[in-house]
Amino acid sequence: DSGVTQTPKHLITATGQRVTLRCSPRSGDLSVYWYQQSLDQGLQFLIQYYNGEERAKGNILERFSAQQFPDLHSELNLSSLELGDSALYFCASSVSGIYGEAFFGQGTRLTVV
Amino acid sequence: DQQVKQNSPSLSVQEGRISILNCDYTNSMFDYFLWYKKYPAEGPTFLISISSIKDKNEDGRFTVFLNKSAKHLSLHIVPSQPGDSAVYFCAAGGNQFYFGTGTSLTVIP
Repeated sequence: DSGVTQTPKHLITATGQRVTLRCSPRSGDLSVYWYQQSLDQGLQFLIQYYNGEERAKGNILERFSAQQFPDLHSELNLSSLELGDSALYFCASSVSGIYGEAFFGQGTRLTVV
Repeated sequence: DQQVKQNSPSLSVQEGRISILNCDYTNSMFDYFLWYKKYPAEGPTFLISISSIKDKNEDGRFTVFLNKSAKHLSLHIVPSQPGDSAVYFCAAGGNQFYFGTGTSLTVIP
């Protein structure tokens, strides 16, 4: 158990809909990362937050947004969903967000039908 | 454009032999490198890391080698065990990390 909790584990939704994925980081970790893993793809970095502030942005679509709340949990919002958004979405957390290893949650499998 | 590449999607090794997993990166500014292991239905777990000031880091059966001039790193597992069978991702960066597509290692008993 990495200490990072992601909910829900599975999500099936229709095209055009909006969903919210939730992540609770390990206790004491200030940095949260979101990654997308599509079929046969590596982990694509989406966005990083540190102590409530956006720190780095990767290949995140404009239809996607995220935030980190004062209690340090984070949400990833995906809107106007398309079939190609079907993927595993991982959240990870780390103490500082600079170097060092990150601890991953088990992921949320999103299926868009 | 993939900044971190793992060109071998899969690798099979006999138990007890050495497993060598390779990773190439394109950005010479990357200064921290990590390897993660992933089992099915689980998130990746951290395995070993190396900073750019070193060329080797060892932790038990796992050794990571970094060749900065070639922008190449490798993970050596000696001896390989069946429990090492998993997908291995390398990651490179510093403030932001880029992952490779993974290499699926199968250790044959």
